[in-house]
Amino acid sequence: GQQVMQIPQYQHVQEGEDFTTYCNSSTTLSNIQWYKQRPGGHPVFLIQLVKSGEVKKQKRLTFQFGEAKKNSSLHITATQTTDVGTYFCAGADSWGKLQFGAGTQVVVTP
Amino acid sequence: DADVTQTPRNRITKTGKRIMLECSQTKGHDRMYWYRQDPGLGLRLIYYSFDVKDINKGEISDGYSVSRQAQAKFSLSLESAIPNQTALYFCATRGREALEQYFGPGTRLTVT
Repeated sequence: GQQVMQIPQYQHVQEGEDFTTYCNSSTTLSNIQWYKQRPGGHPVFLIQLVKSGEVKKQKRLTFQFGEAKKNSSLHITATQTTDVGTYFCAGADSWGKLQFGAGTQVVVTP
Repeated sequence: DADVTQTPRNRITKTGKRIMLECSQTKGHDRMYWYRQDPGLGLRLIYYSFDVKDINKGEISDGYSVSRQAQAKFSLSLESAIPNQTALYFCATRGREALEQYFGPGTRLTVT
């Protein structure tokens, strides 16, 4: 079955630095979604990528979908303390069912 | 989202007890999901429902059952709770056209 792997599992970042988290699927995805979960909170939808090679930006966050639709990345520039949380990618199959990666837990040092 | 509510928010129960977690939504979505979250494992799908008459098993349905009482309500039951069912449980909803899911606040369940 479909498996979604996410790396790194933990990311310690100095405030102001950039970092990237990566997501890889064992199968071609219909689309990929990214969610953010703040400490003690619930996952909140950030963005969805559908097209091969698609790049989308949300302020300091840049999301990319690979050409083969099997991988994705989230790049955050100039990290702020508000970026703290766990970022999940989730690959969707043709039925819309999501397979979540294990998440990247981001800790920001002021 | 306040549009998706879960009760209880926290529950401690003993091994062998039956427990029900409830989820309600006011978003008018027909698709509802139950996930469990364990540290380092992300969210894993337990059951999902596309409408009141359509219930499907997810990747980890053993030991769980569900009931879709109405379009707005989706309950998860543990017939005989065991300690490795200790986890954070999330309900989520999704509209028919949009692909993003909306999560409830979660229920933290501890089985002793």
